[in-house]
Amino acid sequence: AQSVTQLGSHVSVSEGALVLLRCNYSSSVPPYLFWYVQYPNQGLQLLLKYTTGATLVKGINGFEAEFKKSETSFHLTKPSAHMSDAAEYFCAVSDGTGGFKTIFGAGTRLFVKA
Amino acid sequence: NAGVTQTPKFRVLKTGQSMTLLCAQDMNHEYMYWYRQDPGMGLRLIHYSVGEGTTAKGEVPDGYNVSRLKKQNFLLGLESAAPSQTSVYFCASKPRETFYNEQFFGPGTRLTVL
Repeated sequence: AQSVTQLGSHVSVSEGALVLLRCNYSSSVPPYLFWYVQYPNQGLQLLLKYTTGATLVKGINGFEAEFKKSETSFHLTKPSAHMSDAAEYFCAVSDGTGGFKTIFGAGTRLFVKA
Repeated sequence: NAGVTQTPKFRVLKTGQSMTLLCAQDMNHEYMYWYRQDPGMGLRLIHYSVGEGTTAKGEVPDGYNVSRLKKQNFLLGLESAAPSQTSVYFCASKPRETFYNEQFFGPGTRLTVL
């Protein structure tokens, strides 16, 4: 069975500081990993995804994530936070089976202080 | 393209009332999903469909029914609403062709059951 754990339901950073959102997963088969972002009163949109190949994945808005199989982690980072990054972020995993269901983490709300 | 749309955006029901939420997508996607989002719990899959005329249960199917009579539409029904079904409901769709593709989400329906 697959699962996703996001460490920290809330993260607060200052504008210009490093953003680090942590995600650990479990999967019995090689996983497909995703980060989605949700702005207030909107649906989720894809930030980036890992399927195969390069373990460092770059996404939109300057975010990137590194797949580390040995640590079963897929942490999301951004070198310099911007006020517009304030949102909720969801890590998700899919093993491609059963209708390609995706399991989502509980989410991390990012606050950016001026 | 409108992408994924959901109707209605907001709804208030009394306990025991019934209603249907409509999800429509214009991307010709095979797979469609219904999730509920509750604080601190991320997104949980209610039901999903891998094609017209087929549906399957997800993680939290009790109290809900679905139908996929047309490829572009996926309906979620509540036969007898309960306060525990107060939530934000999201529909998503995904193409079949590339199995690791991300899901595309609608804007959500906020449902309150009194």
